[in-house]
Amino acid sequence: GESVGLHLPTLSVQEGDNSIINCAYSNSASDYFIWYKQESGKGPQFIIDIRSNMDKRQGQRVTVLLNKTVKHLSLQIAATQPGDSAVYFCAENSGGYQKVTFGTGTKLQVIP
Amino acid sequence: AAGVIQSPRHLIKEKRETATLKCYPIPRHDTVYWYQQGPGQDPQFLISFYEKMQSDKGSIPDRFSAQQFSDYHSELNMSSLELGDSALYFCASSLFGTGSYEQYFGPGTRLTVT
Repeated sequence: GESVGLHLPTLSVQEGDNSIINCAYSNSASDYFIWYKQESGKGPQFIIDIRSNMDKRQGQRVTVLLNKTVKHLSLQIAATQPGDSAVYFCAENSGGYQKVTFGTGTKLQVIP
Repeated sequence: AAGVIQSPRHLIKEKRETATLKCYPIPRHDTVYWYQQGPGQDPQFLISFYEKMQSDKGSIPDRFSAQQFSDYHSELNMSSLELGDSALYFCASSLFGTGSYEQYFGPGTRLTVT
């Protein structure tokens, strides 16, 4: 079936460096994508979203890039901090008007 | 700000028992979602409700049922529990019609089936 997924299960970065987390999706009809952050023992927390009519969106220290040609999504975190250590999920609105499908998470480890 | 409340936070049950998980959405939110997250897995969508009606259905087993009440809280009822039902169960809520699909997640209920 249609799905989203991440390329790397674990990413280690030095504190202060920029992080890039990638995601591939397969449903070309998807029109809305979300990045979630999940800290250990907690529920996913919304970070940023993007609609398919955009290719870039910026938030505070985060940028999401969408490449519809290759069905690829990325999350860039600037000046990564220890508090950014978590599992990051990309998700898509997957047909149902409210249902969201999560991809496989990437664990971000920030090295002090 | 008020967040999504889930109860209980932890639950231990034996095989073949039943369990009821509760979710209280953010005030004025009209939509609730249930997700199941196994160890090291991504959250799997189970079911959602909008204005007390089921709006979407995912990979919810037939042994599970859910409903949304007039005060918008929701309950997930799980019967004939199996070892594989051990997981974190998240509830999320949102307000329909805002133009955003942002869902606000609760802290989860950790269910352990022994």
